[in-house]
Amino acid sequence: SQQGEEDPQALSIQEGENATMNCSYKTSINNLQWYRQNSGRGLVHLILIRSNEREKHSGRLRVTLDTSKKSSSLLITASRAADTASYFCATDARSGNTPLVFGKGTRLSVIA
Amino acid sequence: DAGVIQSPRHEVTEMGQEVTLRCKPISGHDYLFWYRQTMMRGLELLIYFNNNVPIDDSGMPEDRFSAKMPNASFSTLKIQPSEPRDSAVYFCASSFSSGASNQPQHFGDGTRLSIL
Repeated sequence: SQQGEEDPQALSIQEGENATMNCSYKTSINNLQWYRQNSGRGLVHLILIRSNEREKHSGRLRVTLDTSKKSSSLLITASRAADTASYFCATDARSGNTPLVFGKGTRLSVIA
Repeated sequence: DAGVIQSPRHEVTEMGQEVTLRCKPISGHDYLFWYRQTMMRGLELLIYFNNNVPIDDSGMPEDRFSAKMPNASFSTLKIQPSEPRDSAVYFCASSFSSGASNQPQHFGDGTRLSIL
């Protein structure tokens, strides 16, 4: 089944540094979404990027999408300790009305 | 605004017992999703509803699992009988149309289920 795979599985950085997480997927998509999950909580939607978009910004977040490489990246600039969480990408399938499929996530630790 | 509300937050029970998880979606959302999250398998979609009708239950692992959505503001996921391998965090999510994947999903904080 189609599934986004995040890379790396875990990332540890110092506060103030930038964090980059990548997502690869297998088949054509309509859109790709990024979510954050804090420990013990549900997933929170961060950003949605459509297949005809190449880049999108939201505050300190920057998402890129390269449909030719079937990959996306999430950049968090000037990271803060509060950004410590797991980050997931989720993809749909271009054909049909299918639900999202989530990857296994990247665990980000931001050290103060 | 109230988000997706799940209950209970934690459930510990012995194998063989019936377990019922509850979810109240965000008002006005017409899609409801049930997920299971484990370290080994990540986040798995179990079943989803559109306008209270089950659309795809192919992710339900066994006949021991069942889900209902009697009205737009309430859904249940039932496991009977429960087994230790059912231990996981179960999430409910809802979204506004259009389509099962074109809108952000809003998640509850989950039910952490432990079957002894």
